[in-house]
Amino acid sequence: QQQVKQSPQSLIVQKGGISIINCAYENTAFDYFPWYQQFPGKGPALLIAIRPDVSEKKEGRFTISFNKSAKQFSLHIMDSQPGDSATYFCAARAVETSGSRLTFGEGTQLTVNP
Amino acid sequence: NAGVTQTPKFQVLKTGQSMTLQCAQDMNHNSMYWYRQDPGMGLRLIYYSASEGTTDKGEVPNGYNVSRLNKREFSLRLESAAPSQTSVYFCASSERSWQFSGYTFGSGTRLTVV
Repeated sequence: QQQVKQSPQSLIVQKGGISIINCAYENTAFDYFPWYQQFPGKGPALLIAIRPDVSEKKEGRFTISFNKSAKQFSLHIMDSQPGDSATYFCAARAVETSGSRLTFGEGTQLTVNP
Repeated sequence: NAGVTQTPKFQVLKTGQSMTLQCAQDMNHNSMYWYRQDPGMGLRLIYYSASEGTTDKGEVPNGYNVSRLNKREFSLRLESAAPSQTSVYFCASSERSWQFSGYTFGSGTRLTVV
């Protein structure tokens, strides 16, 4: 059962444009929402993360917007660059008696054209 | 370099063969994880270990076993490989729940079962 839904599956943006990737979740117990960036042949790497007590977090050109009531969060990449071309995954953390674990979205393949 | 090391990077198996994927981390993390990545399905949790001496099933554990050998090492075993296990496998580690700040992933093992 997929608890984190991500869209779109693929995205093409022109250099300098804004890339927007959306995620929706079901489990209200999730308490940490990271985004990962993955280049071909590499493992995912943490890009930016947010906790549900804030509505927005910005790090450089990357911003997470979080809407707790709608159970949605999104990644905005401002001034998108060809070097941003990668696969992006949203995720959400659940804390259980057996420990923490992340549930991932399906991924978005971003292509930034020069 | 500090991080998560996976071996081997590539492997081709025949149906019915067995193999063990190795993972080691040098960040003194308590928790370790095994995920598989398939196109359009994101990253799905196979097994995880919240701390040394404990292991728990994730979303897709069938056909796999794990061993948390010590705090550093967490191996994944395929006892009788099947073509459906063709995938890219990622090991990850993290701090315990109250210090959690996301996963650190290895670079992956690309497994093909023919």
